[in-house]
Amino acid sequence: DAKTTQPNSMESNEEEPVHLPCNHSTISGTDYIHWYRQLPSQGPEYVIHGLTSNVNNRMASLAIAEDRKSSTLILHRATLRDAAVYYCILRLPGEGAQKLVFGQGTRLTINP
Amino acid sequence: ETGVTQTPRHLVMGMTNKKSLKCEQHLGHNAMYWYKQSAKKPLELMFVYNFKEQTENNSVPSRFSPECPNSSHLFLHLHTLQPEDSALYLCASSRGLDYNEQFFGPGTRLTVL
Repeated sequence: DAKTTQPNSMESNEEEPVHLPCNHSTISGTDYIHWYRQLPSQGPEYVIHGLTSNVNNRMASLAIAEDRKSSTLILHRATLRDAAVYYCILRLPGEGAQKLVFGQGTRLTINP
Repeated sequence: ETGVTQTPRHLVMGMTNKKSLKCEQHLGHNAMYWYKQSAKKPLELMFVYNFKEQTENNSVPSRFSPECPNSSHLFLHLHTLQPEDSALYLCASSRGLDYNEQFFGPGTRLTVL
């Protein structure tokens, strides 16, 4: 499976934008980029996914580099509730089970 | 709430005990998953079921025995576990194997003494 690299931790302030980076230099042309987050004492929660184009949803935006070797999850206005571990995951489409191969993720701290 | 419930939320068992973890999803999904999250290690996929049939066993020791009686319920039967099996066990479901979003339950925190 292609690997992802994320910073171990990041810190931001409430009501400010947060940019969470992810490097995936060995990504193949058909790997989808997924982001999940895990709030304290909860299971992971889907945030967003994309393939080539930038994506927006109610939770976040995903900016994908033109060469697809990196991506950035953008939280436009962080709240205290966004404090969590954020996982960047690559997944092959098509047949077989969704193999979400989780890494260590980025622990995001939000300061009031 | 994600629509995926797990019971019990906490479990302490001895190495000779037999216990079961239960997962139920109220989302009408067809695929269900067991994951293990150990301290300081990434989530690990253990088993995958699709329409009640096991499609993946990720080299899990036989002391973990899954059961999927229907698409809404998933069990993990535990016997003769080791202390290193202490972890958070997470259940997830998705509409199907190729759908991008998995919905996770809150997990069962297992401690093996």
